[in-house]
Parts: sequence; structure tokens; C-alpha cells
Amino acid sequence: DTEVTQTPKHLVMGMTNKKSLKCEQHMGHRAMYWYKQKAKKPPELMFVYSYEKLSINESVPSRFSPECPNSSLLNLHLHALQPEDSALYLCASSQDGTSGSQETQYFGPGTRLLVL
Amino acid sequence: DAKTTQPPSMDCAEGRAANLPCNHSTISGNEYVYWYRQIHSQGPQYIIHGLKNNETNEMASLIITEDRKSSTLILPHATLRDTAVYYCIVKEAGGFKTIFGAGTRLFVKA
Repeated sequence: DTEVTQTPKHLVMGMTNKKSLKCEQHMGHRAMYWYKQKAKKPPELMFVYSYEKLSINESVPSRFSPECPNSSLLNLHLHALQPEDSALYLCASSQDGTSGSQETQYFGPGTRLLVL
Repeated sequence: DAKTTQPPSMDCAEGRAANLPCNHSTISGNEYVYWYRQIHSQGPQYIIHGLKNNETNEMASLIITEDRKSSTLILPHATLRDTAVYYCIVKEAGGFKTIFGAGTRLFVKA
């Protein structure tokens, strides 16, 4: 099973709302990722967790708050977003970031976020 | 910045082989070449990867030049469902960062 699931599929929120995106994998992977993808652009890395610890934060604004409660789950908490934050948010997982050629990333289908 | 250069778009007739080129002239010895594709509004899908030898799986073949400065992804019998953006990525064996370039938009036509 190489499936990464993400919920919800679509989300509309106002600039004052608080919402969360969820990601889950059951491949035993210990590295999990959040990417942001604007229309007609490639995915851009936001955060990486390895063994439930934040390893990379690509200078993402604090209105995006990641959380990794356990090795299978990854959340992205959203607060006070701006309309320009509207995008497809992708979750991915890989072995653990150190396994050489085994570090294939498997992506979920994404959450399409619209901020009004 | 991405370390790869790909043509922005390509066409291919259904049933024919699709050959997608990628230049990665600054690739270093411990970096792999990965290919992913993204069908409209879906998450990227892993296709294949290699270090220096040619690789083949059920989806595609990857041909890497001897100097490793370029590679070609081959879809042997393209179908309409292969229409997608194809990303060529170079990535260290260890490490998390996967930097996507602009990719090649492949149109498979009937």
C-alpha cells in the first residue's frame, strides 16, 4: 500500500477562520512533508518532519503551523490566512530521509484551499 | 533553485513512444535523477529513479547519459491517460529537499 490520504479534499475559509488540514500514511514512513502548489506552478516545499520532529521549515509564515502527533499523521493548522494563500496543499511521505535510493516520496491527492 | 532544465511542452501521438529529455549538467556524484508526473489536479506520482545505470519498470524507462549530465524518460506506448506534467528532479541520496522545476507538459493526442 503506497497511499497517502488527505482530508478535506476542498476547503473554503475566511481570513479570520482557524482550520486544519490532515494527512495520514500507513507505509511505516518516518519522514513527512507539506508542499504548497499554486496554479500552473510546481510544488514548493514548506515543512519536513523526520521521526516526528520538525527538520525543515522553509521560512513559512507563522499563520501556517505544522504538527506531527505520531509517525502516521501530519497536520497543518491554518489561522488568519490571506487570499494569496489559496493553493493546493500536498502532503508526502518517504522512508526517513536517510535511506539513500529508497527515499522516494509518495504524495497524497492534496487539499484545495480557497481563502476568501 | 531547480537543478534541471526541461522543455516546457511536448506532443506525442497515442501508441507511440514519448521521449522526455532533461538536462542536469551540474549533477553531483551522490545525486539521483527522479521522475514524477502530475495529472491535472492530482498529487505528483512517482515514476522512476536512477543513479547512473539505465532503469526500467512497469511504467517507463530511464536512460542516463554516461557523463550523467542529461537523461531521457521513455514512455514506450503513450496513452491519453499519460497526458500530464512530467518533473525531472535531482536529489541527494540522503536528505529531504526535493526541488521541483517547471516540468514538461506532455500532451498525448489521439
